[in-house]
Parts: sequence; C-alpha cells; structure tokens
Amino acid sequence: DQQVKQNSPSLSVQEGRISILNCDYTNSMFDYFLWYKKYPAEGPTFLISISSIKDKNEDGRFTVFLNKSAKHLSLHIVPSQPGDSAVYFCAASVLRQFYFGTGTSLTVIP
Amino acid sequence: GAVVSQHPSRVICKSGTSVKIECRSLDFQATTMFWYRQFPKQSLMLMATSNEGSKATYEQGVEKDKFLINHASLTLSTLTVTSAHPEDSSFYICSAQGQGTSYEQYFGPGTRLTVT
Repeated sequence: DQQVKQNSPSLSVQEGRISILNCDYTNSMFDYFLWYKKYPAEGPTFLISISSIKDKNEDGRFTVFLNKSAKHLSLHIVPSQPGDSAVYFCAASVLRQFYFGTGTSLTVIP
Repeated sequence: GAVVSQHPSRVICKSGTSVKIECRSLDFQATTMFWYRQFPKQSLMLMATSNEGSKATYEQGVEKDKFLINHASLTLSTLTVTSAHPEDSSFYICSAQGQGTSYEQYFGPGTRLTVT
C-alpha cells in the first residue's frame, strides 16, 4: 500500500517559470516531510523539509507547502533553472521510518 | 553536510556468486542505516533498516537470507547479495541517519549491480 503518492510522473517547465511538484499521503501520523532530488545513477540529495506543525518552509528558490487537512505536500521552485532537471522524491516520516513517493521527473527547458 | 560513501559504485558479477556492498558514514555516527533498491522508473524501495549492533529489520517480501545486512559499527553497514541472479541487477542505495532528533537521512551515491 503506497502511503505517499506522487501522481505526476513527469513535468516540463520553461526556464524562469515556477515548477510545482505535488505529493499526497494517507497516513495522518506522519510528522515530518522531506523532498529529495535525484540525478540518474546517483543517490538522492536532501533538498528541503517541513515539520507537521508548520505549513510552509522556504529555502532560497525552494518552498515546501503542507496542507494537513488535505494530506497534501507541494514543492515550489522559482525561478526554475535547467540544472533543476532531475527526479524529485517526496518522503514522509513517522517514528523515524521513511516512506517515499514514486518520484516526479522534472525537465526545465532552456 | 554529512557524507555517506558506498563502495563499489559499479559491480558486475556472475550468477551464483555473492557480492558485498559497503556503506560508510564519513563524518558522523550513523545509529541507523537504510538499504534501498531502485528499479528503473520506480521509487526507492526500502529493503531493510539496520541499527548498529542489532539485527536488521527487513521489509515484507525481502529475503533476509539472500540480502545479508551487517551494521557492525556506527560508521559501516554492509549489504551482501548472496547467490546473485540476473533479476537482482539493480541500483542499490544506502542512507544513514545520525543520533539525536534529526530526521534527515543522508544518502550514499549508490551501487549499480549487474548480474550476468
């Protein structure tokens, strides 16, 4: 049973525009959420996180929004850059156990 | 940030042989290490969670006798794929989590295993 879902397998965005990656979850006990970026043949790298007690966390061009009532998480990247092209995984944690989404492949078109 | 290394980065082995993959946390002590497998175009599949000094906890459907995990120290965990088959070919990634309340996992660069 997939507790964390990323329903869009791919996304294409023009350089300079906003990229919005979405993630839905089913377990209301999740207390921490993270986004990872992954290039082919490399391990994921941590991007940004948010605690369940917050609804927004911003770090430079990256902002994560959490809507607990909707069990929905989103990552905004603005402005998007070609180097942002990668697969993005959202993850949720409870009791230090992690559950990953299936990933969204982002392509930023120059 | 914290650094996790994996060795080897690529390995090719013949069916029936065993392969060991090492995962090391280079600048912090990892009380918990995770092993993942990634299939093409799919998410990271958690295989097992290992805590230093204790037996690994395997996810449902993962054969513990085939994927041997050892976490003998706070900086090293090993995954041994025993009697490898071509269907074991995959990208294996480890991650490490430090002590304390930090939720972040730090991932290794991954190991590409090809079984011929």
